[in-house]
Amino acid sequence: GQQVMQIPQYQHVQEGEDFTTYCNSSTTLSNIQWYKQRPGGHPVFLIQLVKSGEVKKQKRLTFQFGEAKKNSSLHITATQTTDVGTYFCAGSRGTYKYIFGTGTRLKVLA
Amino acid sequence: NAGVTQTPKFQVLKTGQSMTLQCAQDMNHEYMSWYRQDPGMGLRLIHYSVGAGITDQGEVPNGYNVSRSTTEDFPLRLLSAAPSQTSVYFCASSYSENQPQHFGDGTRLSIL
Repeated sequence: GQQVMQIPQYQHVQEGEDFTTYCNSSTTLSNIQWYKQRPGGHPVFLIQLVKSGEVKKQKRLTFQFGEAKKNSSLHITATQTTDVGTYFCAGSRGTYKYIFGTGTRLKVLA
Repeated sequence: NAGVTQTPKFQVLKTGQSMTLQCAQDMNHEYMSWYRQDPGMGLRLIHYSVGAGITDQGEVPNGYNVSRSTTEDFPLRLLSAAPSQTSVYFCASSYSENQPQHFGDGTRLSIL
């Protein structure tokens, strides 16, 4: 079955350092979504990528979708304490059946 | 608009008991899903629906039933609770299959 792996599982950074999480699917995806979940909260949608090689930016966040549409990454420049949380990717093969990655928990040390 | 509303927020059950987790959305979304979240395992899809009267299985459907009689509601039924079903359950809805998913606040379920 379809699997989505995410690395690293945990990341501790000093405030101001950069952070990257990687998402890899066992199958070609139609689209990929990224979510952020604060401790004790629910996942909140960040962005969706659809096209091969697509790059999207949201302020300090940069999202990429691989050329083969099997991998994706989220890069945060100059982390802030408000970036703390767990970041998930979720991939679909064209249906509403989204498979979530295991998530990367980010801790930012002030 | 309330968005996606899940009830109850917390529940403790004994092994073998049955219960229904409620999920309602007021955004007129056709697509709805149930996920469970366990520590270190991310979110796993239990069941999903692409419209009233249409449901399908996700990654981990065993032990759970769903039905979708209206656009607004998508209840999840545990037929005979087992300790392995202790988890946080999230309901989500979306306008279409490639639109953002909106999540409820979750139900924290413990089975003794």
